[in-house]
Amino acid sequence: GNSVTQMEGPVTLSEEAFLTINCTYTATGYPSLFWYVQYPGEGLQLLLKATKADDKGSNKGFEATYRKETTSFHLEKGSVQVSDSAVYFCALSGSDYGQNFVFGPGTRLSVLP
Amino acid sequence: GAGVSQSPSNKVTEKGKDVELRCDPISGHTALYWYRQSLGQGLEFLIYFQGNSAPDKSGLPSDRFSAERTGGSVSTLTIQRTQQEDSAVYLCASSLVSGGKGGYTFGSGTRLTVV
Repeated sequence: GNSVTQMEGPVTLSEEAFLTINCTYTATGYPSLFWYVQYPGEGLQLLLKATKADDKGSNKGFEATYRKETTSFHLEKGSVQVSDSAVYFCALSGSDYGQNFVFGPGTRLSVLP
Repeated sequence: GAGVSQSPSNKVTEKGKDVELRCDPISGHTALYWYRQSLGQGLEFLIYFQGNSAPDKSGLPSDRFSAERTGGSVSTLTIQRTQQEDSAVYLCASSLVSGGKGGYTFGSGTRLTVV
C-alpha cells in the first residue's frame, strides 16, 4: 500500500539557517504530494503541494520538488525564522478512488533566535 | 462555510461518559474525514465519508467509536464509555474530490480530555 516516510525529529536550528526535511514515499500510480504544517495549538494547514512529477510547490519561502525517480518530496527553506517553529507533515494522495490520503509521522522543527 | 468548523474546541469528560464531536465541512465538499492526533504523535485515520457511499470505517479503534454524516454535510463522531486513552485532538477535514487529491482542509480540532 501507499506510505510516507519522514526524517525523525525534532530538528533544532538557529534563525536564518537552511532547512531540509526529507520525505520519501511509496505509492502506485501517480500520487499527489503535500506538505502540511501545524503551528502550536492550531490545526493542520496546507503549506504546499505538487500534483505531478517535476512540479515544484512553494509557499512562504518553503519549496518542495516532486521527484518521481527518487520518490521524494523534500521540504526546503533557505532561511528559517522563529515563526517557522511547528510540526511538518508530508502526505500523499493516491491516484485510486477512495480514502487513500496517507500522512507521514510529522517532524517537529524548533527555530531558536 | 468558509472553512471546516469543529465543535466544541475543548471537551473535558469523565471516564465512562459518552461524548459527541461535531464537524461542519466546507460547503460543497463531498468527502469528509476524521483523524485523531494523540499528544506528540502523528495522525491516525478514523473514518471517511464520500458522498452517499458507505463510509470507510477501517480506522475506528473500537466499537465504542461511531460516526455519521447527515444529509451529506455535518458529521458527528460519537465515543461511548470514554476511556483515558481516548484523550487526544480529534481533527476533521473535508475535500472537494474523492481521495483529497486537491488537498484536505482541516478544522481546528476538538481537544478531548478524559479524566
